[in-house]
Amino acid sequence: AQSVSQHNHHVILSEAASLELGCNYSYGGTVNLFWYVQYPGQHLQLLLKYFSGDPLVKGIKGFEAEFIKSKFSFNLRKPSVQWSDTAEYFCAANNDYKLSFGAGTTVTVRA
Amino acid sequence: ETGVTQTPRHLVMGMTNKKSLKCEQHLGHNAMYWYKQSAKKPLELMFVYNFKEQTENNSVPSRFSPECPNSSHLFLHLHTLQPEDSALYLCASSQALQLAEAFFGQGTRLTVV
Repeated sequence: AQSVSQHNHHVILSEAASLELGCNYSYGGTVNLFWYVQYPGQHLQLLLKYFSGDPLVKGIKGFEAEFIKSKFSFNLRKPSVQWSDTAEYFCAANNDYKLSFGAGTTVTVRA
Repeated sequence: ETGVTQTPRHLVMGMTNKKSLKCEQHLGHNAMYWYKQSAKKPLELMFVYNFKEQTENNSVPSRFSPECPNSSHLFLHLHTLQPEDSALYLCASSQALQLAEAFFGQGTRLTVV
């Protein structure tokens, strides 16, 4: 069975700091990868996705993620965070028509 | 607004009650999903429907009963739930099952007392 693991449960950082959230998936075949964000009181929304091609994917709001096949990883990065980036971030992988999620990482950005 | 609407937003029910959660999508998508979101746990996929046909039941207890009368509507019927069923129930839809970029509703916060 496929699983998605996120390394950090809660990350606290100051504005302008750089952010990197780890994500690993267990499936060895073709897989599509996603990062979703859930702002307080709002619905889950897509930040970025990887299907194929360039392993460095750019998403909305200055986020990017890098797919490293040899490491089964899809880490999310942002060079300089803002207070408005405070949210919960979920990594997800789609294989065999099932979209599986990690447990999520809560990111708190202090002004 | 995501185009996926869930009602009610909050629900408190006793263990002997019967209630239903509703999901409606206005995106013209063909696949719809129910997920359970519990604190500090990964989102759990419960059910998948594709063109109104159930394609996935992820070992969900029978006290949860889904219904998909058409591609735009999805229900989750609840009966004799347990307190551990308290969670946020999320509905999502996607254009197709493959390469599924899912669009989520805001969820129903369910509390079983």
